[in-house]
Amino acid sequence: EAQVTQNPRYLITVTGKKLTVTCSQNMNHEYMSWYRQDPGLGLRQIYYSMNVEVTDKGDVPEGYKVSRKEKRNFPLILESPSPNQTSLYFCASSLGGPNEQFFGPGTRLTVL
Amino acid sequence: AQKITQTQPGMFVQEKEAVTLDCTYDTSDQSYGLFWYKQPSSGEMIFLIYQGSYDEQNATEGRYSLNFQKARKSANLVISASQLGDSAMYFCAMREWRGSQGNLIFGKGTKLSVKP
Repeated sequence: EAQVTQNPRYLITVTGKKLTVTCSQNMNHEYMSWYRQDPGLGLRQIYYSMNVEVTDKGDVPEGYKVSRKEKRNFPLILESPSPNQTSLYFCASSLGGPNEQFFGPGTRLTVL
Repeated sequence: AQKITQTQPGMFVQEKEAVTLDCTYDTSDQSYGLFWYKQPSSGEMIFLIYQGSYDEQNATEGRYSLNFQKARKSANLVISASQLGDSAMYFCAMREWRGSQGNLIFGKGTKLSVKP
């Protein structure tokens, strides 16, 4: 089944404790992206990647890192999480470029 | 400045009636794409419909159609014959290119409630 998977789905952590949210797709998509969704703000892009080893900042990259060492994986790293990073995070992928995006199920992160 | 504007935070529609969700966009690019996504209360994001800037015909997908008015920079979603399952958040998005890199920009969404 074609899908984008994210882990974990839910995470409660404390300020400053490094964490990684994994994202994997099995559709051989070149383009992958991370978004955060906050009430009243819609989805805002954090980072995106056009292909392996090619990443770029989105609109809200501060406090986040990404890597794209393999085509299928695009982990999101929070080196020192803070409470303002409490949000719902979505990973998405698409063929070619930022076209019709297939979204993962979301990761709800709470930073205390 | 917002690049995607959805002016209706919330809307109600009677079951079986049609509803239009508004979306205006701002770009100086000649080539761009417009998308609509649905997010039910369960949280997943579901792709609904796509319109390319060079497409002369309005896109349609089943009960969904996109009313594309290029000169007015609007890309409204029309849902015909609303169903209770259409109750959800709806997001308009635009594909934007920055050199060889591209991304999607989303609006803040419209919450649609379908009344029985």
